[in-house]
Amino acid sequence: EAQVTQNPRYLITVTGKKLTVTCSQNMNHEYMSWYRQDPGLGLRQIYYSMNVEVTDKGDVPEGYKVSRKEKRNFPLILESPSPNQTSLYFCASYPTRYTEAFFGQGTRLTVV
Amino acid sequence: KQEVTQIPAALSVPEGENLVLNCSFTDSAIYNLQWFRQDPGKGLTSLLLIQSSQREQTSGRLNASLDKSSGRSTLYIAASQPGDSATYLCAVGNYGQNFVFGPGTRLSVLP
Repeated sequence: EAQVTQNPRYLITVTGKKLTVTCSQNMNHEYMSWYRQDPGLGLRQIYYSMNVEVTDKGDVPEGYKVSRKEKRNFPLILESPSPNQTSLYFCASYPTRYTEAFFGQGTRLTVV
Repeated sequence: KQEVTQIPAALSVPEGENLVLNCSFTDSAIYNLQWFRQDPGKGLTSLLLIQSSQREQTSGRLNASLDKSSGRSTLYIAASQPGDSATYLCAVGNYGQNFVFGPGTRLSVLP
């Protein structure tokens, strides 16, 4: 089954404790993206990747890092999480920029 | 910078009604527009993708139109059902910015 898998689905952590949210897709897509969704602000892009070792900033990259060492994986790293990074995070993948996007189920992160 | 708006923000209708959701964008230099459905606590499900060269796409009871020159898209839902209750998001594929999302329309279809 074609899918985008995010882990964990829910996470509560403390300020400053490094964490990684994993994202994996089994469709051999070139493009992958990370978004955060906040009430009243909608979905905003954090980072995107056009292929292995090629990444670029989205609209809200501050406080986040990404890497794309393999085509299927695109982890989101929070080196020193802060409460303003409490949000619902989505990973997406798509074959090319001109095609349908597939989204993961989301990761609800709470930073206390 | 591309901005996407959606009207109305929320909509409540009785079952069986036909309804229209609106999406507007400020920069017409897009390569596609996609409509998504989001259920509470779940991810986004793609409903329809319209390429910039197309005028409309249909899938079952859903029809999406695109008028790129005026910066508008509409999602038409025929014979609405309670199972259609969800938040509907439009996203424009933007050169240099990838997808830019609208804030969504929260739809409730009452039995």
